[in-house]
Amino acid sequence: KQEVTQIPAALSVPEGENLVLNCSFTDSAIYNLQWFRQDPGKGLTSLLLIQSSQREQTSGRLNASLDKSSGRSTLYIAASQPGDSATYLCAVISNDYKLSFGAGTTVTVRA
Amino acid sequence: NAGVTQTPKFQVLKTGQSMTLQCAQDMNHEYMSWYRQDPGMGLRLIHYSVGAGITDQGEVPNGYNVSRSTTEDFPLRLLSAAPSQTSVYFCASSHRDGNEAFFGQGTRLTVV
Repeated sequence: KQEVTQIPAALSVPEGENLVLNCSFTDSAIYNLQWFRQDPGKGLTSLLLIQSSQREQTSGRLNASLDKSSGRSTLYIAASQPGDSATYLCAVISNDYKLSFGAGTTVTVRA
Repeated sequence: NAGVTQTPKFQVLKTGQSMTLQCAQDMNHEYMSWYRQDPGMGLRLIHYSVGAGITDQGEVPNGYNVSRSTTEDFPLRLLSAAPSQTSVYFCASSHRDGNEAFFGQGTRLTVV
């Protein structure tokens, strides 16, 4: 069974600082990996999808890397803003298209 | 483009009652799934479907039933609600090739 771990569970940074969120998984035979954002009481918003053949994916201030062999992905958010405060979830997509989620990292960006 | 639509957004049930959570998508996605989200436990897969007429169990299927008669709709039925089913339920869809998954806004269910 795929186990997904996100560290740290919570993070508080001053505005402008870069954010580094970590995701590790136990089974490297993944199909894709997807990062989501969740605001309190809301649904999941897709941020980035990294296909298993890719090493990284970028969208604006967000950059996600993937190292399948070591079972790791990292989400970088540059120049954080208070609007980036949310919970960030990592999901590993297996070859049968099921998603296995980490418990998330809750980010607070202080103005 | 509505994406994934879930109804209702909130529901309170008494123990033993049954109900159906609705999920519809307009992206012609083959793969649809239901998750529950509980504090400290992340999202766990309840049931999933790879296409109309095909469903299978996920990690926590007990107490839930699904069917998939059309590509667009994937309802989740609670047969006899229990307090342990108090949770937030999310429906998701994606193309069968394992690409980007899209989620609905969730249904917050309380069983008293």
